[in-house]
Amino acid sequence: EAQVTQNPRYLITVTGKKLTVTCSQNMNHEYMSWYRQDPGLGLRQIYYSMNVEVTDKGDVPEGYKVSRKEKRNFPLILESPSPNQTSLYFCASSFSPRRNTDTQYFGPGTRLTVL
Amino acid sequence: DQQVKQNSPSLSVQEGRISILNCDYTNSMFDYFLWYKKYPAEGPTFLISISSIKDKNEDGRFTVFLNKSAKHLSLHIVPSQPGDSAVYFCAASGDFNKFYFGSGTKLNVKP
Repeated sequence: EAQVTQNPRYLITVTGKKLTVTCSQNMNHEYMSWYRQDPGLGLRQIYYSMNVEVTDKGDVPEGYKVSRKEKRNFPLILESPSPNQTSLYFCASSFSPRRNTDTQYFGPGTRLTVL
Repeated sequence: DQQVKQNSPSLSVQEGRISILNCDYTNSMFDYFLWYKKYPAEGPTFLISISSIKDKNEDGRFTVFLNKSAKHLSLHIVPSQPGDSAVYFCAASGDFNKFYFGSGTKLNVKP
């Protein structure tokens, strides 16, 4: 089954404790991206990657890191989480997100709470 | 400041009638627009898109209209069905594959 998977789905942590949210896709997509969803703000793009070893900042990259060592994986790293990073996070992937015949496929989301 | 805005947080429509969801954007460099639907506890799923060279795109019950001069797009759902009840996000993109989403409109289709 074609899908984007995220782990963990739920995470409660404390300020300053490094964490990684994994994202994996099995569709051989080149493009991958991370978003956060907050009430009243919709989805905001954190980072995206056009291919292996190619990453770029989205709209809200501060406090986050990403890496793209393999095509299928795109982990999101919070080196020192803070309470304002409490949010719902989505990973997405696509062959080419701007082609009319293609679009981004989203994972199920990771609910992160930073105390 | 948000570059894509959905000013109606919610919309309630009777089954069988038309649902019209609206979206405004501020960046004239945006040239590709999308609508996504999101059910609770799931990720968004793609619904329909339109490029700036068109002013209308249809896919079954869903039609997206783009008014570039007004920087406005809308999604029409005809006829609306209870299964359409969800949160709808509009999104826009210019160059470089960055995407900007609106805050969402929660649609409730009443049987």
